[in-house]
Amino acid sequence: EAGVAQSPRYKIIEKRQSVAFWCNPISGHATLYWYQQILGQGPKLLIQFQNNGVVDDSQLPKDRFSAERLKGVDSTLKIQPAKLEDSAVYLCASSAPGQGTDTQYFGPGTRLTVL
Amino acid sequence: QKEVEQNSGPLSVPEGAIASLNCTYSDRGSQSFFWYRQYSGKSPELIMFIYSNGDKEDGRFTAQLNKASQYVSLLIRDSQPSDSATYLCAVSNTGGFKTIFGAGTRLFVKA
Repeated sequence: EAGVAQSPRYKIIEKRQSVAFWCNPISGHATLYWYQQILGQGPKLLIQFQNNGVVDDSQLPKDRFSAERLKGVDSTLKIQPAKLEDSAVYLCASSAPGQGTDTQYFGPGTRLTVL
Repeated sequence: QKEVEQNSGPLSVPEGAIASLNCTYSDRGSQSFFWYRQYSGKSPELIMFIYSNGDKEDGRFTAQLNKASQYVSLLIRDSQPSDSATYLCAVSNTGGFKTIFGAGTRLFVKA
């Protein structure tokens, strides 16, 4: 079974530029999560999708961050404009509720550096 | 603000010893509890999950949950140098909603 795929793996941008990250979850997983992990901290949930609907985006900075999951499969997370404090690893995870566990499986992450 | 608290460590144990990692959470409505291991530069990987009060064992790992005390722990028996990593405690409501991660405890197992 293929795991969660993310791209790019690394991205370096200047502040005020825009950037987009892509995630393809494990096949059949209805729930998709985007996390931000700043160095030395635990992952912070940004947004959670159930199929193509948003179920939680309470911690998403909506003035600069946006995410979509068209067709309920892959997803993109965008930052526009980026700030220095957005430097972090952006992790995508997926899970399959209803199979007895809501275990989340993580992708390799995208390391963003904002200069 | 709902929180998950962990000692940041580092926790240093000799090879073969038992490592004990602890986590407390503030939301009494939490239903699902997870321990993830994260190696430096890598993404988190699940070690164990526990839903009910008591102990759950899987190989060298034992998760313990006490909902009354809002406390969950992870014991690693016969610790190996390869267990050296950051251990993240995660808590969520039913269905994986409102997942909150602790900041993690760094474990170092000395050979």
